[in-house]
Amino acid sequence: GAVVSQHPSRVICKSGTSVKIECRSLDFQATTMFWYRQFPKQSLMLMATSNEGSKATYEQGVEKDKFLINHASLTLSTLTVTSAHPEDSSFYICSATRQTYEGYTFGSGTRLTVV
Amino acid sequence: GIQVEQSPPDLILQEGANSTLRCNFSDSVNNLQWFHQNPWGQLINLFYIPSGTKQNGRLSATTVATERYSLLYISSSQTTDSGVYFCAVERSYNTDKLIFGTGTRLQVFP
Repeated sequence: GAVVSQHPSRVICKSGTSVKIECRSLDFQATTMFWYRQFPKQSLMLMATSNEGSKATYEQGVEKDKFLINHASLTLSTLTVTSAHPEDSSFYICSATRQTYEGYTFGSGTRLTVV
Repeated sequence: GIQVEQSPPDLILQEGANSTLRCNFSDSVNNLQWFHQNPWGQLINLFYIPSGTKQNGRLSATTVATERYSLLYISSSQTTDSGVYFCAVERSYNTDKLIFGTGTRLQVFP
């Protein structure tokens, strides 16, 4: 089946530094990947759609300059949280879908803590 | 945008009990999925069910697309069923956006 790998699973960083999170589709090519953010006891909120070879599409209210997305290949998308602050602490999770449509598969998520 | 509401928000059960979780959505969809988020945050895909009925062991799901709702049935619940259950939909005229519902937090006690 479709497998999406995400890492790191957990990261702690100092305020003001940048953190990169990787999302890989292991056994299929994904022209589109998605990044979500989840705060404690809340639902998942779509942040942006990552398109291979083109600019990402951000949801309203998501800062493009803070959350940099790069989708350089058909199997890899990265999310970089730049100049992280404590309010960026959250659970970030990516997803992708196969071209033969079977629904969306999610990575295991990254818990970011900014201190 | 599309609204996805789930009920009940919280559910406490004793092991062995049955339950029904509901997902209402405000617009037509061409994809609906049910997920179980375990305590470690992992989203487990339970069903891809834009319409009709499916069963997988103790779980089953029914989506009535024309009436814009879906139901997830859990029978003979076990403590390992605890976690948060989300439905998520993709609108039929704006693809590539999976929008999550509000979630149902289930706790199953022995």
